[in-house]
Amino acid sequence: SQKIEQNSEALNIQEGKTATLTCNYTNYSPAYLQWYRQDPGRGPVFLLLIRENEKEKRKERLKVTFDTTLKQSLFHITASQPADSATYLCALDPYNQGGKLIFGQGTELSVKP
Amino acid sequence: DAGITQSPRYKITETGRQVTLMCHQTWSHSYMFWYRQDLGHGLRLIYYSAAADITDKGEVSDGYVVSRSKTENFPLTLESATRSQTSVYFCASSALEGEVEGYTFGSGTRLTVV
Repeated sequence: SQKIEQNSEALNIQEGKTATLTCNYTNYSPAYLQWYRQDPGRGPVFLLLIRENEKEKRKERLKVTFDTTLKQSLFHITASQPADSATYLCALDPYNQGGKLIFGQGTELSVKP
Repeated sequence: DAGITQSPRYKITETGRQVTLMCHQTWSHSYMFWYRQDLGHGLRLIYYSAAADITDKGEVSDGYVVSRSKTENFPLTLESATRSQTSVYFCASSALEGEVEGYTFGSGTRLTVV
């Protein structure tokens, strides 16, 4: 069956360190993959999109990699801050799905001062 | 203000009642979506719309109805609410097929069915 998996356990790191979140998928051939941030009681907020022919994408302190052979995306936050604490969701846009995103369950990140 | 607005923010309803959740966007985005978010399941697609008068079912559409007579509005109706429909509902919109800027989500409606 088709599946998207993110670290189910919360990730706790120290301020200033790099946070790395993982998104694995099976039985998809996604055209692109997206990452979102969600704060408690709020809707997800779009962060980054990476296409299947791109290996890496950066935006300020954020970096996303996409390995279609491993069927995995890594999401990095460098020089993490307490304000980065949130739940991070990955989402796939499979080919020919009319733009319907399929979401992972998210990984909760906690950055301690 | 420009954006995507959901109403109401919170709703309590009784089993068997019909309830409509509203979604309004000001960008004239072609695509609109309804998701529900539950612990243990993440975000699941209920319905989506590629344009006015074009809608299609998602993964968990049973018990829900949508309409899209105008580009900016995409209401979601629970025809006869059940306790299993207690959830947080998110509306989203996108200019293209989620390609350029990703989806923009509303703040959600927390629905409780008692």
